[in-house]
Amino acid sequence: QVQLQESGPGLVQPSETLSLTCTVSGASINTYYWNWIRQSAGGGLEWIGRFYIGVNSDSNPSLRSRLTMSADTSKKQLSLKIKSVTAADTAIYYCAREMAGRRLEDWGQGALVTVSS
Amino acid sequence: DIQMTQSPSSVSASVGDRVTITCRASQSISSWLVWYQQRPGKAPKLLIYAAASLQSGVPSRFRGRGSGTEFTLTITSLQPEDFATYYCQQSSSFPHTFGGGTRVEV
Repeated sequence: QVQLQESGPGLVQPSETLSLTCTVSGASINTYYWNWIRQSAGGGLEWIGRFYIGVNSDSNPSLRSRLTMSADTSKKQLSLKIKSVTAADTAIYYCAREMAGRRLEDWGQGALVTVSS
Repeated sequence: DIQMTQSPSSVSASVGDRVTITCRASQSISSWLVWYQQRPGKAPKLLIYAAASLQSGVPSRFRGRGSGTEFTLTITSLQPEDFATYYCQQSSSFPHTFGGGTRVEV
């Protein structure tokens, strides 16, 4: 059974860098696209991007200039970094495994990140 | 970006009702359409992919149809656990945009 677990600071100062980790168990981190999605308080889902180890990542143009996605295979962890955050980046952040058909089959439980001073 | 528009934004229904949710894409996405269900406080759950393929383990009362720009998700006989918010997502081109959601409530 695949399990994903997001973790990271729940509070980030404006203009700082948001950093989240997604720990993967039950699946090889090397053989799938891993997606990041966020959900604001208003409820809407926003696709952030996807990452495949050794392949160029794909990302939302609205975030691309501030976004870094990477992975640590030894720890089976994915990493998301968004720099220069504002209150608009306050959201629940999810990582998800992408399967054939570009479907997000497995999701983490989500991590709430609040941007505030 | 491809805009995904869901309607209605909310629907009131009762157990046993047939409920249909529509998702329209601003341009053709072929069959690159996925449906998710989200219960309060939980992560989205995959229901339907490739517009009409039922995800393993999902009850057959969930039915997806459509191609091109117009898609529907039908719940043929609403069950208590189906009261939730439903989202469509296109995966035809980047960014993979979501619809605004449809809340199914009592």
